[in-house]
Amino acid sequence: GAGVSQTPSNKVTEKGKYVELRCDPISGHTALYWYRQSLGQGPEFLIYFQGTGAADDSGLPNDRFFAVRPEGSVSTLKIQRTERGDSAVYLCASSLGVTGELFFGEGSRLTVL
Amino acid sequence: AQSVTQLGSHVSVSEGALVLLRCNYSSSVPPYLFWYVQYPNQGLQLLLKYTSAATLVKGINGFEAEFKKSETSFHLTKPSAHMSDAAEYFCAVSVNFGNEKLTFGTGTRLTIIP
Repeated sequence: GAGVSQTPSNKVTEKGKYVELRCDPISGHTALYWYRQSLGQGPEFLIYFQGTGAADDSGLPNDRFFAVRPEGSVSTLKIQRTERGDSAVYLCASSLGVTGELFFGEGSRLTVL
Repeated sequence: AQSVTQLGSHVSVSEGALVLLRCNYSSSVPPYLFWYVQYPNQGLQLLLKYTSAATLVKGINGFEAEFKKSETSFHLTKPSAHMSDAAEYFCAVSVNFGNEKLTFGTGTRLTIIP
């Protein structure tokens, strides 16, 4: 596609459930990032992939959060045992890694009841 | 560690007036600085970036920003506001160019008064 695609755009779940959020980056972009944006805040870094490997996962808040990018393209952010505090917009971005520019998707809004 | 402070969570200007959105940064090493814009129901989009080449940086849609090391600032300006500029603006800092692990400010929502 022309831009970064994220699905679902909205997800409502109950506390304790498992959630997967998908990101399809711009074709040819080797770098992929996940950010989280809580209400009234700027995006907060979670994890960064270069190819298939997680180059930096220092932003993941705890071990309930995990992300994969098995073939170096699509990525999935996985959240286990969701908590109300996980409610936020999860943003995915991709880049060529040499221009300093991130291309963002529209985000997946997660609401944990 | 680096950080960004955006003064004013909401700014309103009249159409045709000067736009000034403030950003101050903190970094222990020379920073790379960015302004991103988020229009309603769209993803964040890069407006402009400072990468140590020139201190005055021009971006899209008539916006520009000046890097002032002595003031640790990177304020965003536009001489004449247009209704289409209404959006949320985020300043961000990175210390590794090419690795876009950005630290964002809390954002400034710009409203244009007709």
